[in-house]
Amino acid sequence: DAKTTQPTSMDCAEGRAANLPCNHSTISGNEYVYWYRQIHSQGPQYIIHGLKNNETNEMASLIITEDRKSSTLILPHATLRDTAVYYCIVGNTGFQKLVFGTGTRLLVSP
Amino acid sequence: DTGVSQDPRHKITKRGQNVTFRCDPISEHNRLYWYRQTLGQGPEFLTYFQNEAQLEKSRLLSDRFSAERPKGSFSTLEIQRTEQGDSAMYLCASSLDRDWMNNEQFFGPGTRLTVL
Repeated sequence: DAKTTQPTSMDCAEGRAANLPCNHSTISGNEYVYWYRQIHSQGPQYIIHGLKNNETNEMASLIITEDRKSSTLILPHATLRDTAVYYCIVGNTGFQKLVFGTGTRLLVSP
Repeated sequence: DTGVSQDPRHKITKRGQNVTFRCDPISEHNRLYWYRQTLGQGPEFLTYFQNEAQLEKSRLLSDRFSAERPKGSFSTLEIQRTEQGDSAMYLCASSLDRDWMNNEQFFGPGTRLTVL
């Protein structure tokens, strides 16, 4: 599985956009980028995924660079409830196991 | 609540005892996964079922660990002769295989195991 690199922690002010980067320089052509988050004392929660085009849903936007070696998850208006560990994962469509790294701990403050 | 449920939520046991955890997936989901998470780390894959068939097991799943999904619905994870290193959060997830492009896994709240 391709590896990902994320900053250990980030801070964001409530109401501002949170931009969480992820490097996946060894990603192969048929591998997707997935983002999950884990709020304290809960199981992980799917956020969004993409292959090469930018994606947006009700939770977030995903921006993937043209060379696909990195991506950014954007939470457009972060709230206190967005405080969580965010995991960037790469894998083939239909892959069976999620390979989590240590993720980015995002702290949203008032 | 129609999400993934796990029972118990917390388990404290003494070293050497056997423990069993249960996971009830979302009702129409035919894929079920077990993960383990230790403090400060991301979840680690343990095993995966498609219906009642166990299709993949991690090397982390030693001989003391066994998982079953007898009727393709709920699953159990048993740990025999527990060791202190087994202390962790055990997470269960489920998904629907027709969502193969999405590969969204729905996680339960986990069972926190403490081995004394």
